Amino acid sequence: QIALKESGPTLVKPTQTLTLTCTFSGFSLSTSGVGVGWIRQPPGKALEWLALIYWDDDKRYSPSLKSRLTITQDTSKNQVVLTMTNMDPVDTATYYCANSGFGHWGQGTLVTVSS
Amino acid sequence: DIVMTQTPLSSPVTLGQPASISCRSSQSLVHSDGNTYLSWLLQRPGQPPRLLIYKISNRFPGVPDRFSGSGAGTEFTLKISRVEAEDVGVYYCMQATHLGGTFGQGTKVEIK
Repeated sequence: QIALKESGPTLVKPTQTLTLTCTFSGFSLSTSGVGVGWIRQPPGKALEWLALIYWDDDKRYSPSLKSRLTITQDTSKNQVVLTMTNMDPVDTATYYCANSGFGHWGQGTLVTVSS
Repeated sequence: DIVMTQTPLSSPVTLGQPASISCRSSQSLVHSDGNTYLSWLLQRPGQPPRLLIYKISNRFPGVPDRFSGSGAGTEFTLKISRVEAEDVGVYYCMQATHLGGTFGQGTKVEIK
């Protein structure tokens, strides 16, 4: 049974760096074709795709946020980590991780950016 | 960047009646491997999105057969044959052909 869960701070200050962790089970990032992605959703707004990492460490980023994002994997821990630098109040959102087919999602974690 | 445009943005529907949502992409979604990575997801209030349809017309396991997808190239459609109360929420189309992914703006389906 596939499951994903996001963890990280609920509140960050402007200009700080956000680090989120996606811990998953039921699949392995060592398996060919497998990937894990991050998506966010500001309150009351649409989904926004952020980044994706594949089993072979191929990484994809949203063009508009590429300079601020880094996605990494720890295969031994079944974790994918997303860092976003220079946080701003407009980055306040629920952040989700999902498998690369988007058939399985975590419950999401709300991150508020405020001083 | 690929832009995904959904119409309508809001759709009041009657229980038991059909509903349809369109999605247009700014570029062809045909991948070099021959597949078209166009999906449809439903997000109910307070919940994460749920995958309904992948690669244009394939229902994800557990998705009722009243949901169907069609289209090709840049034009795609999600149809609900008979709307049920549990179908209320926001529907998103999403492309995963280019770069990593892009979502549409969402279509809110509510009961009249």
